[in-house]
Amino acid sequence: KAGVTQTPRYLIKTRGQQVTLSCSPISGHRSVSWYQQTPGQGLQFLFEYFSETQRNKGNFPGRFSGRQFSNSRSEMNVSTLELGDSALYLCASSFGAGVNYGYTFGSGTRLTVV
Amino acid sequence: AQSVTQLDSQVPVFEEAPVELRCNYSSSVSVYLFWYVQYPNQGLQLLLKYLSGSTLVESINGFEAEFNKSQTSFHLRKPSVHISDTAEYFCAVSENTGNQFYFGTGTSLTVIP
Repeated sequence: KAGVTQTPRYLIKTRGQQVTLSCSPISGHRSVSWYQQTPGQGLQFLFEYFSETQRNKGNFPGRFSGRQFSNSRSEMNVSTLELGDSALYLCASSFGAGVNYGYTFGSGTRLTVV
Repeated sequence: AQSVTQLDSQVPVFEEAPVELRCNYSSSVSVYLFWYVQYPNQGLQLLLKYLSGSTLVESINGFEAEFNKSQTSFHLRKPSVHISDTAEYFCAVSENTGNQFYFGTGTSLTVIP
């Protein structure tokens, strides 16, 4: 059974650009969550999608957005990149909505903004 | 919002010695508790979780954690560590009506040969 797949693994962008990260959940999983991991702030919740609907959103500016497709794949977009957006972005998937179902994390996309 | 405190940012320990990684959380409401492990350049792997029932939960690789409601703690322990246990360990909390994790800042466990 394939795990959670995040693409690309590494990305370098310039300030002011925008970026799209992709997450393919485990087959059959309908919930996808995104987290940002930085040395200074640690792991912070971005948003969660279930059956194409955003159920919850963390405390991030509107430059951060996401969506989920009918096949449960998810993308997150960051517009007008800032140096502080450099981070490891982790996607996690679960069969149901709610952490009690158990989330499986991907290996992440490491974004570097220069 | 929850607050999760991992008191020790770095824990060095000799191989085959016992270890305890501490985790405290803020909420008095019902919560789910988790420990995740992260190896370099990888994502998070679930080590163990407490949802309900027995307050002592165990993982397949010898770790255990005990939920202490009165002290709002969920400390992780292992009686004898191996070199392969060297990694970053994250404690996470979720309200049992919620759908997001609140993570601690992590504890870097280094096992010394």
